[in-house]
Amino acid sequence: AQSVTQLDSQVPVFEEAPVELRCNYSSSVSVYLFWYVQYPNQGLQLLLKYLSGSTLVKGINGFEAEFNKSQTSFHLRKPSVHISDTAEYFCAVSDGGSGNTPLVFGKGTRLSVIA
Amino acid sequence: NAGVTQTPKFRILKIGQSMTLQCAQDMNHNYMYWYRQDPGMGLKLIYYSVGAGITDKGEVPNGYNVSRSTTEDFPLRLELAAPSQTSVYFCASKRQGSGELFFGEGSRLTVL
Repeated sequence: AQSVTQLDSQVPVFEEAPVELRCNYSSSVSVYLFWYVQYPNQGLQLLLKYLSGSTLVKGINGFEAEFNKSQTSFHLRKPSVHISDTAEYFCAVSDGGSGNTPLVFGKGTRLSVIA
Repeated sequence: NAGVTQTPKFRILKIGQSMTLQCAQDMNHNYMYWYRQDPGMGLKLIYYSVGAGITDKGEVPNGYNVSRSTTEDFPLRLELAAPSQTSVYFCASKRQGSGELFFGEGSRLTVL
């Protein structure tokens, strides 16, 4: 079964600084990868996804992630964060192919942007 | 455009009580899911369904039951509430062949 490791449970960063949130998954077979964001007291919403094709994926709010098959990683980056980026971020994986297996989520990384 | 709707948003239960968390989606999605979210633990899959009449267990199904009589609805039932079921519950749905999940806003359940 797939598993996801988010290496940092909390990441504090100053406003306008760059940030990287790390994600590794367990299997090197075909996978679909996702990053979701959760703002306080809300559900999760999709930031970006990798299904196939270009390994650099761009998402909403200026975020991007790079799929690295050899390192089984899918790290999330933003070159300059804003206060409004303060939220919890979840990496998730499912088996590729049909895309019909349930998503497996990491434990989350809480990003705190400091003014 | 409602998406995924969960009710209630908040509920307090006594140990041993029963209740049903409701979930409805209006996107004609085949696949529906129930996750629970506990602090620092991410989301864990309770049950899922690939279509009306079909349900399957996830990672943490004990103490819960589901049914899927229609495409739109996927209720989650707690028969004998226990303090370990204190959590935030999220319902989600997706179209067949698409990896993207659409989430409801969550139901916060406290068992005392």
